Amino acid sequence: DAKTTQPNSMESNEEEPVHLPCNHSTISGTDYIHWYRQLPSQGPEYVIHGLTSNVNNRMASLAIAEDRKSSTLILHRATLRDAAVYYCIPLVQGAQKLVFGQGTRLTINP
Amino acid sequence: NAGVTQTPKFQVLKTGQSMTLQCAQDMNHNSMYWYRQDPGMGLRLIYYSASEGTTDKGEVPNGYNVSRLNKREFSLRLESAAPSQTSVYFCASSATYRTNEKLFFGSGTQLSVL
Repeated sequence: DAKTTQPNSMESNEEEPVHLPCNHSTISGTDYIHWYRQLPSQGPEYVIHGLTSNVNNRMASLAIAEDRKSSTLILHRATLRDAAVYYCIPLVQGAQKLVFGQGTRLTINP
Repeated sequence: NAGVTQTPKFQVLKTGQSMTLQCAQDMNHNSMYWYRQDPGMGLRLIYYSASEGTTDKGEVPNGYNVSRLNKREFSLRLESAAPSQTSVYFCASSATYRTNEKLFFGSGTQLSVL
């Protein structure tokens, strides 16, 4: 399984953009990159995923480096509800076994 | 909008007692999963069921058994609970067992073993 490196914690202000980085230098060419988040006292929630090109949805954007060794989750305008632990998870092609690391704890200041 | 429902939400057991955690999904999903989360840690996969009628071990299966009762329900059984099994347990489901499918999680069962 590919290993990931994420900062333990990040802080941002409400209504500002947030860029959450993830290093996955051992990822293989067919591994998808998934992002989940976990709000306090809740189960994880799917955010976004991608393979090679950048992806957008109503929650966030995912920017994947050209060499695929890193990716960045972008929250365009953070709200207090975005305070959570964010997990970057490479997924081996054909297997749906999410392996959660420590993630990044995101704090949003009002 | 029920999604994935877990029962009970909280449980306290004594060492050696047994119990079953229940999980049901109403999204007609084929695949279901059980995870545990220890304080300050990420989730770890206990068992999964890629489709009805199949179950497989995950990362930390020791001390647990599972039953895929039907397409909707996937239960997790602790035969003889130990303090090391104190954790929050999450059930999840996905439409299929493929890497581009997103998982939907329940709200968790907080289990304490004394």
